[in-house]
Amino acid sequence: KQEVTQIPAALSVPEGENLVLNCSFTDSAIYNLQWFRQDPGKGLTSLLLIQSSQREQTSGRLNASLDKSSGRSTLYIAASQPGDSATYLCAVGKAAGNKLTFGGGTRVLVKP
Amino acid sequence: DAGVIQSPRHEVTEMGQEVTLRCKPISGHNSLFWYRQTMMRGLELLIYFNNNVPIDDSGMPEDRFSAKMPNASFSTLKIQPSEPRDSAVYFCASRPGLAGFYNEQFFGPGTRLTVL
Repeated sequence: KQEVTQIPAALSVPEGENLVLNCSFTDSAIYNLQWFRQDPGKGLTSLLLIQSSQREQTSGRLNASLDKSSGRSTLYIAASQPGDSATYLCAVGKAAGNKLTFGGGTRVLVKP
Repeated sequence: DAGVIQSPRHEVTEMGQEVTLRCKPISGHNSLFWYRQTMMRGLELLIYFNNNVPIDDSGMPEDRFSAKMPNASFSTLKIQPSEPRDSAVYFCASRPGLAGFYNEQFFGPGTRLTVL
């Protein structure tokens, strides 16, 4: 059974600092990996989707890497802003329907 | 596009009552997913549909839970009878394309259910 872990559970950084969020998974036979952002009381917003054949994906200040063999993905957010404060979740997609298994999330606070 | 639409946004009910949650996926999306989010267990997949057909309901916790998708633009998740431990936020998500395609899932705003 796939298990997805995100450490740390919470992170606080001063504005302008780069954010590094970690995600690890136990079964490397994945289809893809998706990073989401969740604001309090809101739904999930998809940030980046990395296919299993890719090593990284970039969108603006966001960059996500994937190392299937070691079961790890990292989300980098450059030059953090207070508006980046949210919970970030990674989810691993399995073939045959792309069922997603979610990590517990990392709650990020960017202090002005 | 309005995105995935869920109703109601909040539901408060008493134990034993029937609860029906509704979802309208993004037009043209072929797959629909129901998730539940709690503090203790995080986000869990309950059931998903491809082309209105339930494919995997292994995440449905008990027989008290049932889901239907009568057409491509509407799905319901029903809990009967409801219990306090069902209190959670229930999310619906949809995805374009069929299984085997590399597509993102798009989530609705969720329904916050409280069972007293």
